[in-house]
Amino acid sequence: SAVISQKPSRDICQRGTSLTIQCQVDSQVTMMFWYRQQPGQSLTLIATANQGSEATYESGFVIDKFPISRPNLTFSTLTVSNMSPEDSSIYLCSVAGYNQPQHFGDGTRLSIL
Amino acid sequence: AQTVTQSQPEMSVQEAETVTLSCTYDTSESNYYLFWYKQPPSRQMILVIRQEAYKQQNATENRFSVNFQKAAKSFSLKISDSQLGDTAMYFCALPRAGGTSYGKLTFGQGTILTVHP
Repeated sequence: SAVISQKPSRDICQRGTSLTIQCQVDSQVTMMFWYRQQPGQSLTLIATANQGSEATYESGFVIDKFPISRPNLTFSTLTVSNMSPEDSSIYLCSVAGYNQPQHFGDGTRLSIL
Repeated sequence: AQTVTQSQPEMSVQEAETVTLSCTYDTSESNYYLFWYKQPPSRQMILVIRQEAYKQQNATENRFSVNFQKAAKSFSLKISDSQLGDTAMYFCALPRAGGTSYGKLTFGQGTILTVHP
């Protein structure tokens, strides 16, 4: 399976600031996703990162708050903008192919003060 | 609406014993995959096992096996010879209807499994 590198692994940020999380894959993949996992909770899909075009957002998530880029088939970024304590979560990227089930990066643990 | 339900928030088992985690789901698809992921305290999500709905044979991966009951929409995970390293949160997951087999996932609420020495 693909090797996924997600950075940073954790960060502590001040409210009102923004943080960009990177997801790098060691091979070209068809699909890339971003999930949020609030403390003690399950995973919720934020958006599908589309190569060369705007991401597809799920209900409750908007581009202004969570801008996503995917310039090629191996790299994507998620930015958490204008952060508040409610954004404290683990953010995970995942990759999949038409014959490859989803595999996840190690996640980014984000705490907002 | 597509749903995935794990009714056991927490489970515990003694080392070397067997434990079964439950999952029920609802989907409008006739053929689909189902997955179990584990998330140890290190937080990495790890694929444990997958089952394709049209296959009658239950999937097995070493000490992990599933009991897939398509008509009942039940997909339980059995862990045999439990080890301390099996301590983790376990999630049942189902790809969203109308998408690809490995596309957007809907996750259950999770079951925290603790293996005691």
